[in-house]
Amino acid sequence: EAGVAQSPRYKIIEKRQSVAFWCNPISGHATLYWYQQILGQGPKLLIQFQNNGVVDDSQLPKDRFSAERLKGVDSTLKIQPAKLEDSAVYLCASSRRTGRSSYNEQFFGPGTRLTVL
Amino acid sequence: SQKIEQNSEALNIQEGKTATLTCNYTNYSPAYLQWYRQDPGRGPVFLLLIRENEKEKRKERLKVTFDTTLKQSLFHITASQPADSATYLCALDRGSGNTGKLIFGQGTTLQVKP
Repeated sequence: EAGVAQSPRYKIIEKRQSVAFWCNPISGHATLYWYQQILGQGPKLLIQFQNNGVVDDSQLPKDRFSAERLKGVDSTLKIQPAKLEDSAVYLCASSRRTGRSSYNEQFFGPGTRLTVL
Repeated sequence: SQKIEQNSEALNIQEGKTATLTCNYTNYSPAYLQWYRQDPGRGPVFLLLIRENEKEKRKERLKVTFDTTLKQSLFHITASQPADSATYLCALDRGSGNTGKLIFGQGTTLQVKP
């Protein structure tokens, strides 16, 4: 099966500019995640969707970050306006579902490397 | 607050030896603990999951232990190969059970020398 697709792979912007990232999860995966990974650190969960509804966005800086998953498939993550500290790799992941009955591993995309100058 | 710590220094070992990586956590009682592998420029890849009621789990040359009393997991790679060189991340589900809300450690970089 095809993996998680992300675009673009790299993006360089000036601070205060806007940027958007796109993610296409594995077909049939109900749950989609966006992570931020700063150099030298582990991924940090920003937002989790189940189908097209938000399950958790407690760590999303909502004053500048937004995300949507229309129709429960593709998703976009936007930063507006960007700050220097937003420089990181933004990873998208998907899993079949979450729930108590069984565990479903997360499959990650290659990420988008954002540099804010 | 919940915290996960892994060896911050890189681990360098000789091919054929066993690599042991450590993951410690505080202020938390996770139902699941997972290990991922991450290569440069790529997203993490799931390796193993161990549940709180399991002491040990094996998959080919990989072994994971989970000590809920010590709040620690050990990840072993036996008969290590240069191809095992990568960063290894441990992750806990911070929700109640299987919620997918993972907290990752900072990762330990393993270098296996031929």
